[in-house]
Amino acid sequence: KQEVTQIPAALSVPEGENLVLNCSFTDSAIYNLQWFRQDPGKGLTSLLLIQSSQREQTSGRLNASLDKSSGRSTLYIAASQPGDSATYLCAAVSGNTGKLIFGQGTTLQVKP
Amino acid sequence: SAVISQKPSRDICQRGTSLTIQCQVDSQVTMMFWYRQQPGQSLTLIATANQGSEATYESGFVIDKFPISRPNLTFSTLTVSNMSPEDSSIYLCSAPTGGGYGYTFGSGTRLTVV
Repeated sequence: KQEVTQIPAALSVPEGENLVLNCSFTDSAIYNLQWFRQDPGKGLTSLLLIQSSQREQTSGRLNASLDKSSGRSTLYIAASQPGDSATYLCAAVSGNTGKLIFGQGTTLQVKP
Repeated sequence: SAVISQKPSRDICQRGTSLTIQCQVDSQVTMMFWYRQQPGQSLTLIATANQGSEATYESGFVIDKFPISRPNLTFSTLTVSNMSPEDSSIYLCSAPTGGGYGYTFGSGTRLTVV
């Protein structure tokens, strides 16, 4: 059974800092891995999708990497801004079932 | 990427009643998924809804409590039955929308049971 873990659970940084969010998964037979952002009381916004054959994806100040062999993914946020404050969720798609399994999320606060 | 319209966006319901949540996708999708997000928690998969067959439920979720319909490839409903305050959560639907976009989510239904 796929289990997804995110570290840290919460993070508070000053504006401008670069930061890394970590995600690990137990079953390496994933189809892809997706990072989402969730603002309080809101739905999910997809940030980056990494296919199982890819090593990383970039979008603006965001860069996500994937290492299937070690069961890890990281989300790198460059030059953080207060508007980046949200909960970040990683989710692994099972290659066998197509199910998307979520980690517990990292709640980020960027202080002005 | 595809767009999923979910309604209602929120509701306050009396215990013992039922609420049906609807999701409409603007393109045909094979699988749709329903999730629950309890306060302060991450998303937990309730069930997978495939067109033309019964939904497949995850451990801890049963059809009598969360009946699901999937009449065609663009639409699904989730009913939360015989509600109690413990059912107060955000419910979200999702579908893999292909084209390298991964999974798309509806905007969620915030349910409060009083």
